[in-house]
Amino acid sequence: DAGVTQSPTHLIKTRGQQVTLRCSPKSGHDTVSWYQQALGQGPQFIFQYYEEEERQRGNFPDRFSGHQFPNYSSELNVNALLLGDSALYLCASSGHRGYTEAFFGQGTRLTVV
Amino acid sequence: AQKVTQAQTEISVVEKEDVTLDCVYETRDTTYYLFWYKQPPSGELVFLIRRNSFDEQNEISGRYSWNFQKSTSSFNFTITASQVVDSAVYFCALSEAGGNEKLTFGTGTRLTIIP
Repeated sequence: DAGVTQSPTHLIKTRGQQVTLRCSPKSGHDTVSWYQQALGQGPQFIFQYYEEEERQRGNFPDRFSGHQFPNYSSELNVNALLLGDSALYLCASSGHRGYTEAFFGQGTRLTVV
Repeated sequence: AQKVTQAQTEISVVEKEDVTLDCVYETRDTTYYLFWYKQPPSGELVFLIRRNSFDEQNEISGRYSWNFQKSTSSFNFTITASQVVDSAVYFCALSEAGGNEKLTFGTGTRLTIIP
């Protein structure tokens, strides 16, 4: 049973460009959350998707947007990249009924130059 | 607003020693959930434990144990007889309501076990 998979693993972009990161949730999970982890910091919640809708959002600008597909996979889009967007982006999946442990992927390391 | 503080940035201990990682949290919610995650160099966060605010019983799982004290808003994590494989960054986190909502993480403690 594959866990949470994220692609790509590493990415280098130029300031001002746009980037799309992808996440496939663990089998049986229908909720996807995205986190940004700057170097030496704890992960910061970006947003959560369920039933193809954004259900919760953290304190991130509108440059950060997302999408969830009918198969529960998700994309994170970041427009007008800034140097400060360089971070590890983590995807977590969980179920929405009762409590199910959130499983994290290995992340996408984004470097903005 | 929720906040998690892990005051210990880095800890190094010699293998087989016991080590305690501290976590202090702030929340206005009466129902909340506390978590510990381990982050090895590969990057993914590995779930270790979830505890709800109504259950103050300490928990032991093998060499790991957790001490939850609401009176001091603390949820400390102890590794007994540490091993080199325990070397990682450990995060304490807090979530409201059902626990499937957003996690608020501390800044983490980097634990190095010296052989």
